[in-house]
Amino acid sequence: AQTVTQSQPEMSVQEAETVTLSCTYDTSESDYYLFWYKQPPSRQMILVIRQEAYKQQNATENRFSVNFQKAAKSFSLKISDSQLGDAAMYFCAYRSAGSGLTFGEGTQLTVNP
Amino acid sequence: KAGVTQTPRYLIKTRGQQVTLSCSPISGHRSVSWYQQTPGQGLQFLFEYFSETQRNKGNFPGRFSGRQFSNSRSEMNVSTLELGDSALYLCASSPPGVSTDTQYFGPGTRLTVL
Repeated sequence: AQTVTQSQPEMSVQEAETVTLSCTYDTSESDYYLFWYKQPPSRQMILVIRQEAYKQQNATENRFSVNFQKAAKSFSLKISDSQLGDAAMYFCAYRSAGSGLTFGEGTQLTVNP
Repeated sequence: KAGVTQTPRYLIKTRGQQVTLSCSPISGHRSVSWYQQTPGQGLQFLFEYFSETQRNKGNFPGRFSGRQFSNSRSEMNVSTLELGDSALYLCASSPPGVSTDTQYFGPGTRLTVL
C-alpha cells in the first residue's frame, strides 16, 4: 500500500520569507501523481500544485514550486514571498491509477507578520 | 464555473440513525470521490464513482455506501451511525481528459453523531 509521510507537524515563516515543507512517499508504482493541497480554517481543501511522476521538470505555480526527487521518493513544497493568506494546513497527497488520494498527516503553517 | 457543492453543510444525528449526504460536482466533471476527515485518522478515501459506477473503494465497512446519478451528482449514505463516524466528509470531482487525476474539493459536510 502506498504511504505518504509529512515529518513536520508545524512550521512557521516570516512574511515575505521562503519556507519549504517536506513530504516523502512510498510506492511500487512507476506512474502516479503527486499533489499539495492547503486547508485553511474554513476547511475548504484547495489545490496548490500538481506533479506528474513521469515529468522530470518540477512543477511551478506562481510563488509555489516543488522539488520532486523520484528516486528518493521525495516531494517538497517551496513557498516564496510568504503571505499571511498562506497560513493553513498543507497536505501532501499521492494518487495512482485505480486509487483515490492518499494523504499525509499534514503540516500546519503559520505566517508571522 | 461553480465549484463542488455539498449539502447539508452541518448535520447532527444520534447513534443508530442513518444519514445521506449529497454532492454536486463541477459542471462537466463525471468522477466524484468521497473522503472522511477526522482528527485521529486524518483524511481517508471512501470511494469513487464514475458514470454511475463505483470505480474505486477504500477500506471502510459496508455501512458506508454511495451512488451516482446520471447527472453526475452523488450521494453518500451511512447506516447505523456510530460515534466514531463524526467527521468532516469531503466530496471531490475530477475533470475529464488529461487532468482526470486531479481532484477539486467541496466545502465538506460536518457530521456530528451524538
